[in-house]
Amino acid sequence: EDQVTQSPEALRLQEGESSSLNCSYTVSGLRGLFWYRQDPGKGPEFLFTLYSAGEEKEKERLKATLTKKESFLHITAPKPEDSATYLCAVHSRSEKLVFGKGTKLTVNP
Amino acid sequence: DAMVIQNPRYQVTQFGKPVTLSCSQTLNHNVMYWYQQKSSQAPKLLFHYYDKDFNNEADTPDNFQSRRPNTSFCFLDIRSPGLGDAAMYLCATSPLEGLLGNQPQHFGDGTRLSIL
Repeated sequence: EDQVTQSPEALRLQEGESSSLNCSYTVSGLRGLFWYRQDPGKGPEFLFTLYSAGEEKEKERLKATLTKKESFLHITAPKPEDSATYLCAVHSRSEKLVFGKGTKLTVNP
Repeated sequence: DAMVIQNPRYQVTQFGKPVTLSCSQTLNHNVMYWYQQKSSQAPKLLFHYYDKDFNNEADTPDNFQSRRPNTSFCFLDIRSPGLGDAAMYLCATSPLEGLLGNQPQHFGDGTRLSIL
């Protein structure tokens, strides 16, 4: 059974304090790993897709990386508006998206 | 802007009283999905439609049904809501490649269902 574990569950940072979120996965044949951002009371907003180990994607202060067992979402010099829950999801031969529980990020000014 | 719209944003119903949640899309995607998300939990897939072809997850309770009358609209029917069905219900869409993992799913902002 496909499994996704995200850590930490919650993370508090000061504005400008860089850090990384972790997504560990076990799947039967990874087809894609997806990162989403979810604000309170909203639906997940797509950020990145990664398909193979070694791949990296960047968008503003966010950078996602992928290995054969895990993905990291690096946040460089975060701002308060980066506060949200970040969800990781994997897509395998099961043809469905399996989500982790997310990391709730709070960036204090 | 092309988007996924869910109505209503908040729904309150009574224990055992049927309720319908709706989703519409302007993305013209073949696939529509319904997820259930409880507080601080991962979204959990209930079922999806590829065009008119309905696919139910094995552990989705019989209490949950869905209809897709056309490409743009999809409905989630909960026949006899119990207290455990209180959650955020998320609708998502993707092209066919989304079923294969080659394209992301695009989500609406959800309907928060409360059961009295």
